[in-house]
Amino acid sequence: GQSLEQPSEVTAVEGAIVQINCTYQTSGFYGLSWYQQHDGGAPTFLSYNALDGLEETGRFSSFLSRSDSYGYLLLQELQMKDSASYFCAGERALTFGSGTRLQVQP
Amino acid sequence: DARVTQTPRDKVTEMGQEVTMRCQPILGHNTVFWYRQTMMQGLELLAYFRNRAPLDDSGMPKDRFSAEMPDATLATLKIQPSEPRDSAVYFCASGLDGLAGRTDTQYFGPGTRLTVL
Repeated sequence: GQSLEQPSEVTAVEGAIVQINCTYQTSGFYGLSWYQQHDGGAPTFLSYNALDGLEETGRFSSFLSRSDSYGYLLLQELQMKDSASYFCAGERALTFGSGTRLQVQP
Repeated sequence: DARVTQTPRDKVTEMGQEVTMRCQPILGHNTVFWYRQTMMQGLELLAYFRNRAPLDDSGMPKDRFSAEMPDATLATLKIQPSEPRDSAVYFCASGLDGLAGRTDTQYFGPGTRLTVL
C-alpha cells in the first residue's frame, strides 16, 4: 500500500511562487502525479514524474526524489485562478494524498 | 474534444433505495477508475478496471456496492441498498496503460453528487 502526506493549506499572493510538498511511503513505486481540483469541479491532471528530477509545464513544475520519497509541485507567477486544491497521487494514481488547498490573495 | 461523461450529475434518494451511476470512458482508453470523494475521507479509490476486467476493488464495500463494465463504452457503479453515509461525489476516470503497464494520466468525469436521505 501507499500513503501520501501533504500540507492541508497554503496561502500566497498573486505573482508569487509557491511550493506544495508531498512525502510518501510505499511498498512499490510507480511515479508521482499531481492533480488540480477547483471547488465543485473534477480533478484535472497537471503532471507526472516517473524518474527523479524536474518536469516543467508552463508555470507549473513538478519535482521527484525517489531516494527521499519526496516530491513537490511548484507554481510560478501565481494567478487568482490557481486557487484550488492540489493532490499528489501515487501507485499509478490509485492512492491520492489528502490535498492541499491553495488560496491566492491579491 | 474527448471527455469522460457521467450520469446522473445529481441524485437524491432515500435510504434503502438502489442507486446506479453510469460512466462513459474516453474512446480508446483501456482503464477505468471509480472514486468517491468526501470532505472527511478525501478521494478514495473504489474500483479499477483494465480492458473491462476488474483489477482492484478492495476499497469498495462489497456488501452493498458493485462495479461492472458491460462493454468498453460503459462502466456502472451500483449501491444497493443505499445509506446516508454513502452521500458523496462519485467520480469516474479513464486512462490508457502505457508500455510499462500503468496509467500515467487519468481523465476525470464531472462526477455524480449523491445525497442519501
